[in-house]
Amino acid sequence: AQSVTQLGSHVSVSEGALVLLRCNYSSSVPPYLFWYVQYPNQGLQLLLKYTSAATLVKGINGFEAEFKKSETSFHLTKPSAHMSDAAEYFCAVILTQGGSEKLVFGKGTKLTVNP
Amino acid sequence: DTEVTQTPKHLVMGMTNKKSLKCEQHMGHRAMYWYKQKAKKPPELMFVYSYEKLSINESVPSRFSPECPNSSLLNLHLHALQPEDSALYLCASSQEGFFYGYTFGSGTRLTVV
Repeated sequence: AQSVTQLGSHVSVSEGALVLLRCNYSSSVPPYLFWYVQYPNQGLQLLLKYTSAATLVKGINGFEAEFKKSETSFHLTKPSAHMSDAAEYFCAVILTQGGSEKLVFGKGTKLTVNP
Repeated sequence: DTEVTQTPKHLVMGMTNKKSLKCEQHMGHRAMYWYKQKAKKPPELMFVYSYEKLSINESVPSRFSPECPNSSLLNLHLHALQPEDSALYLCASSQEGFFYGYTFGSGTRLTVV
């Protein structure tokens, strides 16, 4: 069965530093993978998605992620953190069930950005 | 219109009350979803509607009753809830074809007293 594992429930970086949030997937077939961000008391916003068209995916707000089949990873990066990036980040994968599809989330990583 | 609108934003209800959560989208999406999110946890899928028909029910207790009156609306009827049902309830929608990703509303913060 497909699933995603996020390594590190909390990540803290300094403003201007590299952001690296880790996500590994388990799947016997190429998965459809997503990164979402959730700001406090808000819904989820799609950052980027991997749908097998390209292994390096660029998203909104300067984020990008690289699909590495050999490492079964889809880590999220941003070269320079901004205070406004502080939020909860979720990696997610599509599962199919009874002919329907559903989006299933990892446990999330809380990003703190220090001045 | 590229939004999913949820009302109300906040709801406090007693354990004997009946209330409803509403979700609306005008993007032409044919699939709609209800998720429940407890504090410091990821969203958990409750229901999936595809072309206005219930396609997935993740063994949700019957005190939660979904309804999809048309392709733009999704309701969640609540009755006899428990305090542990207090959570953020998120609605989402998607185009046909899951690779487009889901669009989420900002949620309804529910407190059961």
